[in-house]
Amino acid sequence: EDQVTQSPEALRLQEGESSSLNCSYTVSGLRGLFWYRQDPGKGPEFLFTLYSAGEEKEKERLKATLTKKESFLHITAPKPEDSATYLCAVHPTTDSWGKLQFGAGTQVVVTP
Amino acid sequence: EAGVAQSPRYKIIEKRQSVAFWCNPISGHATLYWYQQILGQGPKLLIQFQNNGVVDDSQLPKDRFSAERLKGVDSTLKIQPAKLEDSAVYLCASSLGDSSAEAFFGQGTRLTVV
Repeated sequence: EDQVTQSPEALRLQEGESSSLNCSYTVSGLRGLFWYRQDPGKGPEFLFTLYSAGEEKEKERLKATLTKKESFLHITAPKPEDSATYLCAVHPTTDSWGKLQFGAGTQVVVTP
Repeated sequence: EAGVAQSPRYKIIEKRQSVAFWCNPISGHATLYWYQQILGQGPKLLIQFQNNGVVDDSQLPKDRFSAERLKGVDSTLKIQPAKLEDSAVYLCASSLGDSSAEAFFGQGTRLTVV
């Protein structure tokens, strides 16, 4: 059965304190791995899609990487506005096109 | 570009009552999704439409949930009768379809069943 596990569940950072979030996945085949950001009371906002092991993508202070079993979201020198829940989702080859399976998310709080 | 529109934003109902949610996807997006997000969990797909046809409804509790997408644009999700465990945020999302699985989400409807 396909599984997505995110760790840690919650992360509290000081402004400027870099850290990484982990997304471990088990799928028989992977079309893509997605990262979303979700602010309280809002829907998830798309950040990145990664398709193959070794791929990396960057956006401002965020960088996502992918291996065959996990993905990392690195937050470099975070600011308070980076506070949010970060969701990881896999797009298995065995599912219909577009069907994503989400992890439970990592709640990040960045304090000034 | 307008985003995915959902209404209402909030709804409180008593158990055994019925409720309906509405979604208007991004113009030109062929694929529409309804997700259920229970507090502290990631979104779970309930149903996926490609134009006005159902692609996947394997996780939709069909004894009480129904959804339709007439004319391949707007969609409604209905719960009848509601149970306490249906309390959640119902998210609608859309994507271009075959060319991209990147989904754009609406703000969601927060349902509380009391």
